[in-house]
Amino acid sequence: EAQVTQNPRYLITVTGKKLTVTCSQNMNHEYMSWYRQDPGLGLRQIYYSMNVEATDKGDVPEGYKVSRKEKRNFPLILESPSPNQTSLYFCASSLTAGRALTDTQYFGPGTRLTVL
Amino acid sequence: AQTVTQSQPEMSVQEAETVTLSCTYDTSESDYYLFWYKQPPSRQMILVIRQEAYKQQNATENRFSVNFQKAAKSFSLKISDSQLGDAAMYFCAGRYDKIIFGKGTRLHILP
Repeated sequence: EAQVTQNPRYLITVTGKKLTVTCSQNMNHEYMSWYRQDPGLGLRQIYYSMNVEATDKGDVPEGYKVSRKEKRNFPLILESPSPNQTSLYFCASSLTAGRALTDTQYFGPGTRLTVL
Repeated sequence: AQTVTQSQPEMSVQEAETVTLSCTYDTSESDYYLFWYKQPPSRQMILVIRQEAYKQQNATENRFSVNFQKAAKSFSLKISDSQLGDAAMYFCAGRYDKIIFGKGTRLHILP
């Protein structure tokens, strides 16, 4: 089944404790992206990747890191989480990258993160 | 600046009736795509419908259709014969050189 998976689905942690949220897709998609969703703000892009070893900042990259060593995986790393990073996080992928992005994005199920 | 604006934070509609959700956008790009996503209580993001800007014909998917007014930069979603399962948050999104989401409209279906 074609899908985007994220783990964990729920995470409660404390300030400063490094964490990684994994994202994996099995559709051989080039483009992958991370979003955070906060009430009243919609979805905001954190980082995106056009292909392996090609990552770039989105609208709200502060406090986050990503890597794209393999095409299928795009982990989101919070080196020192803070309470303002409490949010719902979505990973998404689409087939091709490039300026005229025609492809539908497929979203993972979301990760609910709480930082105490 | 590229923007997507949903001016209705919440809406309600009677079951079996028709409802229209509004979305306006702004971009200087000539080539772009517009989407409506549905987010039910499960939090999953589900693509409802998409529209290519170069196409004049409005996209339709079963009970869902769009009214795409390119000159006015308007992209509204019409849901016909509303069903209880349509209750969700709906996000309008524009894909230019990157994707931008509106803040969402929560749709309630009244039985």
